Amino acid sequence: GENVEQHPSTLSVQEGDSAVIKCTYSDSASNYFPWYKQELGKGPQLIIDIRSNVGEKKDQRIAVTLNKTAKHFSLHITETQPEDSAVYFCAASDGRDYKLSFGAGTTVTVRA
Amino acid sequence: DAMVIQNPRYQVTQFGKPVTLSCSQTLNHNVMYWYQQKSSQAPKLLFHYYDKDFNNEADTPDNFQSRRPNTSFCFLDIRSPGLGDAAMYLCATSREPTDQPQHFGDGTRLSIL
Repeated sequence: GENVEQHPSTLSVQEGDSAVIKCTYSDSASNYFPWYKQELGKGPQLIIDIRSNVGEKKDQRIAVTLNKTAKHFSLHITETQPEDSAVYFCAASDGRDYKLSFGAGTTVTVRA
Repeated sequence: DAMVIQNPRYQVTQFGKPVTLSCSQTLNHNVMYWYQQKSSQAPKLLFHYYDKDFNNEADTPDNFQSRRPNTSFCFLDIRSPGLGDAAMYLCATSREPTDQPQHFGDGTRLSIL
């Protein structure tokens, strides 16, 4: 099955700086890569996703890049704000079944 | 404007006393999922319904069951909760089972006394 590794497990950044979270996956058939943000006491919220036919996608301060050859994808948050503090999960799906394989999560803290 | 609604948000039950968690959706999605999430961990899939077809994960304990009486509602039944079942239970939906975004509710936090 798919194995997704996520790094770092914790990330502390100064407000206004950028944050980068990296994930690697094992199954070359994986073709859908969502990113979720989970705030304390809430469910995961989809913030951006990318499919394997695209190398980069951007939505305001958030961007995701995908390197299919190296089997890794990354989340970039620019101009971080305190409300960006949360746990972020990457995930991968191979399109053959219903499963999302999640990374272990990254706790991001934005220091004011 | 919540699209995936879970009730209750917090549930306390006694060891061994059956408990039911509920989920409803306004998205008219075909697929509904139940996840278990323990502290500082990623969500773990328990099972899902694709329309009326039920799919159980191989490592989901027999203690856990689910019902989906219609498109909008799905229930998680825990027959005899043990202390290890204390967790956040998340419901999610997607339009189709593959390559589609999953939309999560805010979960039910289950405590076992």
